[in-house]
Amino acid sequence: QKEVEQNSGPLSVPEGAIASLNCTYSDRGSQSFFWYRQYSGKSPELIMFIYSNGDKEDGRFTAQLNKASQYVSLLIRDSQPSDSATYLCAVITAGANNLFFGTGTRLTVIP
Amino acid sequence: EAQVTQNPRYLITVTGKKLTVTCSQNMNHEYMSWYRQDPGLGLRQIYYSMNVEVTDKGDVPEGYKVSRKEKRNFPLILESPSPNQTSLYFCASSTWTGGNYGYTFGSGTRLTVV
Repeated sequence: QKEVEQNSGPLSVPEGAIASLNCTYSDRGSQSFFWYRQYSGKSPELIMFIYSNGDKEDGRFTAQLNKASQYVSLLIRDSQPSDSATYLCAVITAGANNLFFGTGTRLTVIP
Repeated sequence: EAQVTQNPRYLITVTGKKLTVTCSQNMNHEYMSWYRQDPGLGLRQIYYSMNVEVTDKGDVPEGYKVSRKEKRNFPLILESPSPNQTSLYFCASSTWTGGNYGYTFGSGTRLTVV
């Protein structure tokens, strides 16, 4: 079973809409959760991290964590064409020193 | 500027010809790591280092070597490259003091082995 699973997409939303990206993880003891954005041919860029159950907001981005359901999500409000990218979910599992990445969800924001 | 610098950005080589991809960070980070990224497989960790002279295998270490003689540098060595090592490689670093473990990534090295 993969450590971190994401729907590969593509996910298409119109400009101004809310984009919802989802991620599940297998290790119930996982402690730290991250969302990275990666433009085509570029390196991943950290946009959000969350450790506690609930919501964490940063500008147009909201990360949501539900440890009981082993589920973490990223909401992007007022989506812009510049948000079009692949979004990577990453998790530090219990007892590990490393980030495990999902395969990413490709988001396209249509003008 | 805080950054992770990888070189080269692009490399085409032939099977069996030893190569080194360099990685350097200027943030005094303890932790450094190498990943490869392949379509449909995502980012997979090759090797990581918790500090100087401390290295360990990731998920896909076969065919690779690393060293950590200085805190800032973490080169990736392919002793005898093969076509299945054609990939996009990223170096990353992080401070490991608790709290935010977010990685800073280098710009990537696109390697083609023919």
